[in-house]
Amino acid sequence: GEDVEQSLFLSVREGDSSVINCTYTDSSSTYLYWYKQEPGAGLQLLTYIFSNMDMKQDQRLTVLLNKKDKHLSLRIADTQTGDSAIYFCAEGDTGFQKLVFGTGTRLLVSP
Amino acid sequence: DVKVTQSSRYLVKRTGEKVFLECVQDMDHENMFWYRQDPGLGLRLIYFSYDVKMKEKGDIPEGYSVSREKKERFSLILESASTNQTSMYLCASSNLLGETQYFGPGTRLLVL
Repeated sequence: GEDVEQSLFLSVREGDSSVINCTYTDSSSTYLYWYKQEPGAGLQLLTYIFSNMDMKQDQRLTVLLNKKDKHLSLRIADTQTGDSAIYFCAEGDTGFQKLVFGTGTRLLVSP
Repeated sequence: DVKVTQSSRYLVKRTGEKVFLECVQDMDHENMFWYRQDPGLGLRLIYFSYDVKMKEKGDIPEGYSVSREKKERFSLILESASTNQTSMYLCASSNLLGETQYFGPGTRLLVL
């Protein structure tokens, strides 16, 4: 079945760049997503990329997709303490739009 | 703005109790989803619904049932709560051709 894997934890210093990685197995995925979950809250969509794209940039966020290796990454430039959260990658297709989520990466940003 | 609300933020129940978790969305979305979130396991899909009175099992439906009598409301039911159902429960919705799911704030359920 489909599987999405992420490392569990990442620690960076404020002002550094953070790179969160994700690998997935379903090559038919149409969309790949990054969600952010702040403490005690639900998930909010950060950004997404279509499977026919290699890169998407949105302010401090850069998403890179290597479809051949089924590897997705999220780079956060100039990481701030407010970026501390759990980041989930997810894959999905059209239709009922059922998503498969990774385990989440807890990002800790220290001053 | 899409709004997905869940009936409780925190809930404490006893083993064997029947538990109802309610979710309401205000964007006329066709699809609604229930997940549970556990540390190190990410989000796992329990059930989803793509229309009123329709439901499909997700990856971990055992011990749960759902009800969708109205388009905006999707209920998750624990017929007889057990301690291994202690978890964070997240509801989400999306439209039929939408690009993503919108999530509620979650209900943290503790079963004693």
